[in-house]
Amino acid sequence: AQTVTQSQPEMSVQEAETVTLSCTYDTSENNYYLFWYKQPPSRQMILVIRQEAYKQQNATENRFSVNFQKAAKSFSLKISDSQLGDTAMYFCAFMNNDMRFGAGTRLTVKP
Amino acid sequence: SQTIHQWPATLVQPVGSPLSLECTVEGTSNPNLYWYRQAAGRGLQLLFYSVGIGQISSEVPQNLSASRPQDRQFILSSKKLLLSDSGFYLCASSPASGRAYQETQYFGPGTRLLVL
Repeated sequence: AQTVTQSQPEMSVQEAETVTLSCTYDTSENNYYLFWYKQPPSRQMILVIRQEAYKQQNATENRFSVNFQKAAKSFSLKISDSQLGDTAMYFCAFMNNDMRFGAGTRLTVKP
Repeated sequence: SQTIHQWPATLVQPVGSPLSLECTVEGTSNPNLYWYRQAAGRGLQLLFYSVGIGQISSEVPQNLSASRPQDRQFILSSKKLLLSDSGFYLCASSPASGRAYQETQYFGPGTRLLVL
């Protein structure tokens, strides 16, 4: 069964700085999708970024980018120029015949 | 783009009472629909998914059931709530693909359920 591990329960970063959230996963599949979702205090889950495993190029969405290392089964999220509104829980997720979420990383952006 | 509605937003129910949570989707046809539960401070656990009307797959044995009476309506139910049913329930939708887990899932605003 696929597992997703987020080893950082909590992180903090100063406003305008860069932070990287870690995610590793375990699978024997070759084709799959990876996601980062953000859950602010409102608790709505918001898609941040998506990566297809067959694509070597790392996905980027404005200030958010990923470092996808398929061989290492690693999928980290980099947030550049952190903003106060980035404060949230961040969940890494793996999809292939089912959907697995990590336990989440609570990110606090400090002014 | 699709919009996902959930109600009620918050619900407080006594143990042993019935439950009905509703999820509706706009802006897409024949979506794949999912129910998740999130315990406080925890990740998401998939409860049910549906790839079409009347088609329900259960991921974990539990006190809950799901139904899909219409294409864009997904209902989570219980006949008798347990204390352990408390949590945050999220409905998710992904574009039609005939199979679950093929497209990106988008989430509704969720329902907070407290069983006392």
